[in-house]
Amino acid sequence: EPEVTQTPSHQVTQMGQEVILRCVPISNHLYFYWYRQILGQKVEFLVSFYNNEISEKSEIFDDQFSVERPDGSNFTLKIRSTKLEDSAMYFCASIPTGVGTDTQYFGPGTRLTVL
Amino acid sequence: AQSVTQPDIHITVSEGASLELRCNYSYGATPYLFWYVQSPGQGLQLLLKYFSGDTLVQGIKGFEAEFKRSQSSFNLRKPSVHWSDAAEYFCAGNNAGNMLTFGGGTRLMVKP
Repeated sequence: EPEVTQTPSHQVTQMGQEVILRCVPISNHLYFYWYRQILGQKVEFLVSFYNNEISEKSEIFDDQFSVERPDGSNFTLKIRSTKLEDSAMYFCASIPTGVGTDTQYFGPGTRLTVL
Repeated sequence: AQSVTQPDIHITVSEGASLELRCNYSYGATPYLFWYVQSPGQGLQLLLKYFSGDTLVQGIKGFEAEFKRSQSSFNLRKPSVHWSDAAEYFCAGNNAGNMLTFGGGTRLMVKP
């Protein structure tokens, strides 16, 4: 069964550094998402992406964050100048269409630790 | 504001016992509702979803959930829990758009 993959599984970085988290969504899917889960807190929506542009973003998704689909398969989340509070599990998800009843397929997550 | 609440942070049940995990939602209109499970080191796997029709929905791994509009609830049930069901369970909803709003999760522990 096709699945969403994410790399790396764990990223450790120093405060102020830039990180890029990578995702490969399911190949025929059209909408892509990033969510994050700070330890002990809820899974929170960050951003959705369709047709090479952001379709929705939360208030968490400020200028520090950016997303890109640099080629036909990868979907990346870049965090510029990381802060301690960016430490979290970041999940990528994709769906085949934009219909609300679609199942979002999640990747295994990247655990980001900012020191 | 849209919200999904899972009142129970931790639940422990004995293997073979029945299980009910609670989920309440607050939306302007009836949302689409989902239950996901997360095992350690794994991503979120969909158990089941509700968007219309029959209020009792069947999912994978023997789980079911019942949508109750009058109680704004979408509780997850399983008649007989197996040790492999130990995991964290998330209720989530959306409406109109596809952004999911998650509850805080319920961690299920299974006693032998």
